[in-house]
Amino acid sequence: AQSVTQLGSHVSVSEGALVLLRCNYSSSVPPYLFWYVQYPNQGLQLLLKYTSAATLVKGINGFEAEFKKSETSFHLTKPSAHMSDAAEYFCAVSESTSGTYKYIFGTGTRLKVLA
Amino acid sequence: NAGVTQTPKFRVLKTGQSMTLLCAQDMNHEYMYWYRQDPGMGLRLIHYSVGEGTTAKGEVPDGYNVSRLKKQNFLLGLESAAPSQTSVYFCASSYNGRSGELFFGEGSRLTVL
Repeated sequence: AQSVTQLGSHVSVSEGALVLLRCNYSSSVPPYLFWYVQYPNQGLQLLLKYTSAATLVKGINGFEAEFKKSETSFHLTKPSAHMSDAAEYFCAVSESTSGTYKYIFGTGTRLKVLA
Repeated sequence: NAGVTQTPKFRVLKTGQSMTLLCAQDMNHEYMYWYRQDPGMGLRLIHYSVGEGTTAKGEVPDGYNVSRLKKQNFLLGLESAAPSQTSVYFCASSYNGRSGELFFGEGSRLTVL
């Protein structure tokens, strides 16, 4: 079974600093990878996804992620954090089971942005 | 455009009671999913459906049943609620189960006393 591991359940950065949220995946085949964001008391929304095209994927709100096969990683970055980025972020992978697909999520990283 | 709608948004049950959560989507998506979210555990897949009339088990299916009688609706049932089922439940849908974006509802908070 495929899985994703998010290192760091909580990350704090100062406003204007680099944001780096880590995600490693396990997969025996080229994966489809996703980052989602969840604001308080809301559902999740897609930030970006990797579907085997460009390895550097740009998403909404200035976020981007780089797929590195050699490191089995798909870390999320943003050059300059904004207060509005405070949220929980989830990495996810789609997995095939008997010809159907489902999405498996990591445990999440809560980002805190300090003024 | 409503997207994915979950009802009810809040519910308190006593141990042993039953209830059904309803998920409705208006995007004509084939794939629908039920997840539960617990602190420190992320989202865990309960059951999912790849089309009308189909259902499949996810990571944590025990204690839950589902039905997909109509393409736009996906029901999650608890036959005999237990305190361990206290959680926030999210429904999601996708047009493509492999690379498509998941669209989420706003969640249903269930407390079992």
